[in-house]
Amino acid sequence: QVQLVESGGGVVQPGGSLRLSCAASGFTFSVYGMHWVRQAPGKGLEWVAVVAFDGNRQDYAASVKGRFTISRDNSKNTMSLQLNSLRAEDTGVYYCARETTVTTVSRFDNWGQGTLVTVSS
Amino acid sequence: SSELTQDPAVSVALGQTVRITCEGDSLRSNSASWYQQRPGQAPVLVIYGKNDRPSGIPDRFSGSTSGNTASLTITGAQAEDEADYYCTSRDGYAPWVFGGGTKVTVL
Repeated sequence: QVQLVESGGGVVQPGGSLRLSCAASGFTFSVYGMHWVRQAPGKGLEWVAVVAFDGNRQDYAASVKGRFTISRDNSKNTMSLQLNSLRAEDTGVYYCARETTVTTVSRFDNWGQGTLVTVSS
Repeated sequence: SSELTQDPAVSVALGQTVRITCEGDSLRSNSASWYQQRPGQAPVLVIYGKNDRPSGIPDRFSGSTSGNTASLTITGAQAEDEADYYCTSRDGYAPWVFGGGTKVTVL
């Protein structure tokens, strides 16, 4: 079965860095776009970033552009998110999610359980 | 920037029907998908496309779209349907956008 497992979360000071990972199994990782979605404590979901199936295209939410970098290694079935220049408002649970698109219909059909990032001094 | 607007909260009596709406310009040209999130858990896809359900999602969940408004309907709400529900779609400004979420309370 499809499994997505995030890791790398923790407590970091403002201005610091962190690297999140998402390990995928149970499907052909190299044919799917992959995303990071985050959720601040008590708040709603916020889309963060996407990496195309082959890693050749990335896109970011305006709130993280220039600070976060998404990447993937299809040989290891993993996706990563490098978080730099962290701010208090980056605190939250970070989920990785698989995107499935058929013709023009897209959805996030599988999610990991999330990893908690806390930015605090 | 574009956005998707949802009512913050709705309530429904056990066994009755509730409709949750999601409004936004991106829905005129992109299909919505809907996610259920119970407290402390990851989101789960419940509806996508015109009205498609992943395997394992009960058929009491259904979806529709008209103009710039997508709707998720729960027909015969059960206690286990109490959760937060989020809509999302592709967007021309940021590739994806989420609605603010609707908390569904089953009375």
